[in-house]
Order: sequence, then structure tokens, then C-alpha cells
Amino acid sequence: SQQGEEDPQALSIQEGENATMNCSYKTSINNLQWYRQNSGRGLVHLILIRSNEREKHSGRLRVTLDTSKKSSSLLITASRAADTASYFCATDGTDRGSTLGRLYFGRGTQLTVWP
Amino acid sequence: EPEVTQTPSHQVTQMGQEVILRCVPISNHLYFYWYRQILGQKVEFLVSFYNNEISEKSEIFDDQFSVERPDGSNFTLKIRSTKLEDSAMYFCASTSASTNEKLFFGSGTQLSVL
Repeated sequence: SQQGEEDPQALSIQEGENATMNCSYKTSINNLQWYRQNSGRGLVHLILIRSNEREKHSGRLRVTLDTSKKSSSLLITASRAADTASYFCATDGTDRGSTLGRLYFGRGTQLTVWP
Repeated sequence: EPEVTQTPSHQVTQMGQEVILRCVPISNHLYFYWYRQILGQKVEFLVSFYNNEISEKSEIFDDQFSVERPDGSNFTLKIRSTKLEDSAMYFCASTSASTNEKLFFGSGTQLSVL
């Protein structure tokens, strides 16, 4: 299976704390993406990191990628109640010759931020 | 910001019935997708569509499924004879080559097969 696997499955923190979610995958990738899903809504793209990048920042988000360990982490700093959502990592299917946009998702981490 | 829109938001159908899920991708996008998410499980790829034909389909996308882009704006997923196990949230997505492989997802259609 190529899918990413996130951990923890659930994370509960207080506002202002940092939240770290991890993702592991099994095969070669061109890129890894993180998406967010609010309850009952669609997925919203957060950030994409390419296989030749090690770290990327976007606002309060910091993503790292370690291709030797086939793992990535998503850090949300100074979390807010509005960050409460499910977070998914998704990898592309480069070594399977998959077409553009075929992504392999993990099960996600449910983040709850308490005010 | 442009959005992918999906209708209906909820669809209830009887087993064996045909359903059509509708999507309006972002207007300048050229690549279109359907994904689904069974409750509590992973988001799974169903099919990708480009240049008026299927680019790739997963093992889930069997003969009961079909996609169509009947005009310049709509992109539909048809399930010919629904099964109980087709109950899921179905997401449409689109992208363009210029968006660096980032997918834009709709809010989904919750399909319940009774």
C-alpha cells in the first residue's frame, strides 16, 4: 500500500499550544501534500512539499519531509479553536506511473483545539 | 476564490437505483477527479479525467461507474445500480497544471444507499 498513515489518530490540545502530526508512507514520491477537512466538508489544500525539499513554511504551518525515513510532519504553531479539523497527508503515485492528481491519502489525524 | 461546487449535498437512494452526482469544477481547470470517503475510512481515488477521457481509474471504479463531461462546465459521476457499500461521501476535485498538483475539492455529496 502506498497510502500515507498519520499519527496520532486523535490529538487534543489547548489554544496557544503547538500541534504536531506525523505521516509515514511506503513508496517513492514526487511530493507530499497536507489537507484539512472540517467536519462534513471537503478537503482544503494546506501545503505541498516536494521530494527535494526538507522543510516548508506557510503562515503558522511548518512541514518537514524526510525521504530517507519516508515520513513527514505537520506542525501548527499557536493553535486556535478554528484549527479544529481532520488533517490528512497525501502522496502522489510517482513510482506507479499514476496520473497527475491521483493521490493516496492516510486516515487522518483528528485535531481538537480547546478554547 | 473560485470553488468546486457539488450537488446535491445529500442523496438517498434505494439499492439498485441509478444515481448521478454532479460537479462544477473550477472554470479554467483541465483535470477532474472523483474521490470517495466511506465513513471512518481513508479518502480513496476513483477516477481522473482529462481531455474528455478517463486518464486513470482505480479498482473501485468498475463497470457500474461512469463519468461524463456533458458540456463545458459540468462533470458527473453515475452509479448505474447502487449497492449498500456505495454509501459514502463522494468528492469531486479539479486542478490545472499551473497549480502545482494541488487539488481543489468540492464539499462532497453524501450518498446513502438503503
